[in-house]
Amino acid sequence: EVQLVQSGAEVKKPGESLKISCKGSGYSFNNYWIGWVRQMPGKGLEWMGIIYLGDSDTRYSPSFQGQVTISADKSINTAYLQWSSLKASDTAMYYCARPARSGSATPPTNWGQGTLVTVSS
Amino acid sequence: QSALTQPASVSGSPGQSITISCTGTSSDVGSYNLVSWYQQHPGKAPKVMIYEVTKRPSGVSNRFSGSKSGNTASLTISGLQAEDEADYYCCSYAGSSTWVFGGGTKLTVL
Repeated sequence: EVQLVQSGAEVKKPGESLKISCKGSGYSFNNYWIGWVRQMPGKGLEWMGIIYLGDSDTRYSPSFQGQVTISADKSINTAYLQWSSLKASDTAMYYCARPARSGSATPPTNWGQGTLVTVSS
Repeated sequence: QSALTQPASVSGSPGQSITISCTGTSSDVGSYNLVSWYQQHPGKAPKVMIYEVTKRPSGVSNRFSGSKSGNTASLTISGLQAEDEADYYCCSYAGSSTWVFGGGTKLTVL
């Protein structure tokens, strides 16, 4: 069974750094892209970026380029989303998600459970 | 890369059919048969209902169906049930390994 398990909820102060994770199991992690999606409170889904675990090829939405860093450690089947300096406006639920087909960055069919990030002074 | 356009809300009575539209451009919806639809209940992660325009994952009711014409994809739910009340989002491949989501549609079952 394909599973994406994300790290737990975080409460941070503005200016702090943060790295959240998404661990895949039940499939060949290296052959898939993993995307990150933001959902601000009461709002819709926004695509942030995506990484291919085979060679770490990474793409970002223009809205998130320079604001976050997507990375991965294929030795432990884990993708990451990180911030160097959080803002209150980063408060949101963050999901990782995986396409149906290996090697293809098509819209996702499998989702993690989400990581709630709260940024407040 | 603009968001796909969905109606903010739709409603229907139990047993009826409803259709949610998702309008993009020739750079996303119109260029690829790679549109997915997601159902999201409050406090839950999105769940795929349709992928690659018309394909239904195992376990998803056949009351859910998808289609596409030009730059517009559609999700139809037939035999509406109370548990279908949720937010629905479309997502299209937009080239160069990128995705674009719709703004979401709130479905109310009257």
